[in-house]
Amino acid sequence: GAGVSQSPRYKVAKRGQDVALRCDPISGHVSLFWYQQALGQGPEFLTYFQNEAQLDKSGLPSDRFFAERPEGSVSTLKIQRTQQEDSAVYLCASSSRLIVIRAETQYFGPGTRLLVL
Amino acid sequence: KQEVTQIPAALSVPEGENLVLNCSFTDSAIYNLQWFRQDPGKGLTSLLLIQSSQREQTSGRLNASLDKSSGRSTLYIAASQPGDSATYLCAVRPGETSGSRLTFGEGTQLTVNP
Repeated sequence: GAGVSQSPRYKVAKRGQDVALRCDPISGHVSLFWYQQALGQGPEFLTYFQNEAQLDKSGLPSDRFFAERPEGSVSTLKIQRTQQEDSAVYLCASSSRLIVIRAETQYFGPGTRLLVL
Repeated sequence: KQEVTQIPAALSVPEGENLVLNCSFTDSAIYNLQWFRQDPGKGLTSLLLIQSSQREQTSGRLNASLDKSSGRSTLYIAASQPGDSATYLCAVRPGETSGSRLTFGEGTQLTVNP
């Protein structure tokens, strides 16, 4: 497609359940980012991939959060044993057909809204 | 740690008014600064990107300025329209060569009344 897509758009999980959120970046984009946006807040960085390599995962809040991008395109953010404080919108962004173009903007998907009951 | 603050948190104006949104950041060692727009239930749309060496960028009715040394940026919207109603987010990218993450402010929720 023309833009970044994410699925599912909405997810309701019971506390303790595992969830998997998918991101399809813009075709050919090298960089992929995950952000978490709590209600009324700005997005906060979670993790960053360059192709299949996870170069920065310092924003992941706990070891219950895991992200992968095995073939350098689609990425999955997995949250194990979900807790109520995990409720947020999870945004995916991609950028840069060429690694060296750091000035290029990040293109964001519509997000997955996760509600943990 | 970089912190980004946006003022005001919310703003309601009548149609046609010119307005200014403010963004400040604590670490002036940035690579660039971006202004985004976020509509309810949707992702972020980039409005303007200012490199650290630039002072301002313009796109249509939007003008963004950057004073890197003082850690401030403003987004000026001229002749506001109801369609401008959205949340506006400011984000900075760090200056170190390996830095790619964006640090966002909490946003300004703008309502333009017809």
